[in-house]
Amino acid sequence: NAGVTQTPKFQVLKTGQSMTLQCAQDMNHNSMYWYRQDPGMGLRLIYYSASEGTTDKGEVPNGYNVSRLNKREFSLRLESAAPSQTSVYFCASSAGRVAGYTFGSGTRLTVV
Amino acid sequence: TQLLEQSPQFLSIQEGENLTVYCNSSSVFSSLQWYRQEPGEGPVLLVTVVTGGEVKKLKRLTFQFGDARKDSSLHITAAQPGDTGLYLCAGALGWDDMRFGAGTRLTVKP
Repeated sequence: NAGVTQTPKFQVLKTGQSMTLQCAQDMNHNSMYWYRQDPGMGLRLIYYSASEGTTDKGEVPNGYNVSRLNKREFSLRLESAAPSQTSVYFCASSAGRVAGYTFGSGTRLTVV
Repeated sequence: TQLLEQSPQFLSIQEGENLTVYCNSSSVFSSLQWYRQEPGEGPVLLVTVVTGGEVKKLKRLTFQFGDARKDSSLHITAAQPGDTGLYLCAGALGWDDMRFGAGTRLTVKP
């Protein structure tokens, strides 16, 4: 099925460990995004990429890095995980603001 | 403080009832979207409204964008258990700056 694919679906990390969340879309969208969702906080933008080769910070970028590997793939890296990064992470892509976002099914990350 | 405030935070109703949920802000948005999210899944786009005062209908769902483009409402007529979910509003501040509310969690009991 066409859409946004995220891996892994679940992950438990120890404080200080690193990991990369993978995201790929097959809709030929230019824009891709990483959000985190916390109870009572809604979705908050971590980083976005308006096109291949460009990335920009969102509302909550500290502690994260991203790579737009090609038009299809946008990865999110936690270099040294902290308990405050326990959250559900969503990748999304878009053909344009009015077209709306297509979200992946999320990665539930727990940092202990 | 959320840029977009959604109310109520939780809503539990019986099948067949009508309901309205709200999305309010002091900021002006160029467009506003509503999404529904089910447990374990990502949000799914329901509608985009662009013009102040715009009303869009999607079967039993009616969406309205405020005249000043600062607020929106979602009205559901004759709610069904399949309408259960988290309803999120999202407003566009810039081309790639979409801000989300915390959502209204709706439960429709059979």
